[in-house]
Amino acid sequence: KAGVTQTPRYLIKTRGQQVTLSCSPISGHRSVSWYQQTPGQGLQFLFEYFSETQRNKGNFPGRFSGRQFSNSRSEMNVSTLELGDSALYLCASSLLAGDETQYFGPGTRLLVL
Amino acid sequence: TQLLEQSPQFLSIQEGENLTVYCNSSSVFSSLQWYRQEPGEGPVLLVTVVTGGEVKKLKRLTFQFGDARKDSSLHITAAQPGDTGLYLCAGATAAGNKLTFGGGTRVLVKP
Repeated sequence: KAGVTQTPRYLIKTRGQQVTLSCSPISGHRSVSWYQQTPGQGLQFLFEYFSETQRNKGNFPGRFSGRQFSNSRSEMNVSTLELGDSALYLCASSLLAGDETQYFGPGTRLLVL
Repeated sequence: TQLLEQSPQFLSIQEGENLTVYCNSSSVFSSLQWYRQEPGEGPVLLVTVVTGGEVKKLKRLTFQFGDARKDSSLHITAAQPGDTGLYLCAGATAAGNKLTFGGGTRVLVKP
């Protein structure tokens, strides 16, 4: 069974631009969560989607948004990029909503210049 | 706000030595996961512990969940260079998917 896939793996943007990251969960998994990982803050929860609905949201500004499609694939969008948005963005999938066991993808490394 | 404190932050040992990583919180978690992450990759799930006092073994790795479900430890016996990586603990609440991560322990096992 294929694991969680994320595209693109690397991305360079400039301040003020917007970016969309994509995540395909493990086949059969219906819940997708997004996390931001930085050296200073570690891994922080962004949001979780299940059945195309956002179930949980972390403490991030409204510039960070996401969505989930009917095939469980998910995208996250960051608008008006800031230098501090440079990070590894990780997607994790789980079978059901509220399932504590999550499987992570390799991440998308975003660099904002 | 639930916080997970991991200690130590960094550990450098020789191959064959033992090591223990601690994960502590003042909050109760419904379960706790341990992950290992290598550079440029996402965290890989090692184990999930659910019951207070639970001990799980995975080859040379032993995981323990505290009786009160507020803390956990990871013990590696006879560490090997392949054990090198960033070890992360993550706690889940009854709400489920919103994992709270510790700051991580970077382990370096030198041959």
